[in-house]
Amino acid sequence: SQTIHQWPATLVQPVGSPLSLECTVEGTSNPNLYWYRQAAGRGLQLLFYSVGIGQISSEVPQNLSASRPQDRQFILSSKKLLLSDSGFYLCAWSGGLTVTEAFFGQGTRLTVV
Amino acid sequence: KQEVTQIPAALSVPEGENLVLNCSFTDSAIYNLQWFRQDPGKGLTSLLLIQSSQREQTSGRLNASLDKSSGRSTLYIAASQPGDSATYLCAVIQGGSEKLVFGKGTKLTVNP
Repeated sequence: SQTIHQWPATLVQPVGSPLSLECTVEGTSNPNLYWYRQAAGRGLQLLFYSVGIGQISSEVPQNLSASRPQDRQFILSSKKLLLSDSGFYLCAWSGGLTVTEAFFGQGTRLTVV
Repeated sequence: KQEVTQIPAALSVPEGENLVLNCSFTDSAIYNLQWFRQDPGKGLTSLLLIQSSQREQTSGRLNASLDKSSGRSTLYIAASQPGDSATYLCAVIQGGSEKLVFGKGTKLTVNP
């Protein structure tokens, strides 16, 4: 069966520090991968999605970047965090060849101080 | 641009009540619609997926319907329990796109 792993679960980082959040999927190949951010009162905002290795689509201009170095690995990064980067970050995957059910990781609570 | 709206934003009901959560979307050219549940501080758990060619899906006490032409979906929860308390989110995937577009959710509280 397919599983999705996301870590760390919580993270407190100072302003100006770098960020790296990792997400991996097991049990499937060529998945679509997504990074979402959830802020209170604003719902789920799509940050990046990827349909294949090295293929990244950015939805909103921001202080973040994403990479997909392997088929089932999706990384969210920042060189210098801002206070406004605080939030709940969620990774998700869905079927690659046909668009099917989406599954989410358990999320990372990021607090920038 | 696809927009998804969920009404009500919050709902509080006594245990045992049947209830309906609503989801509407502005562009009917969707590929599928998915309902999720989110507990506080947790990720999203998939509840039901409805393909665009389907009218409804059922899982246990949950039944989701889809009316593409009117841009609406409902999630029906039968005989609600305190354990059903959570935020319920609906999301659509636009035809020709790989992106899930979410509503802001309905926060459900079932009181014992």
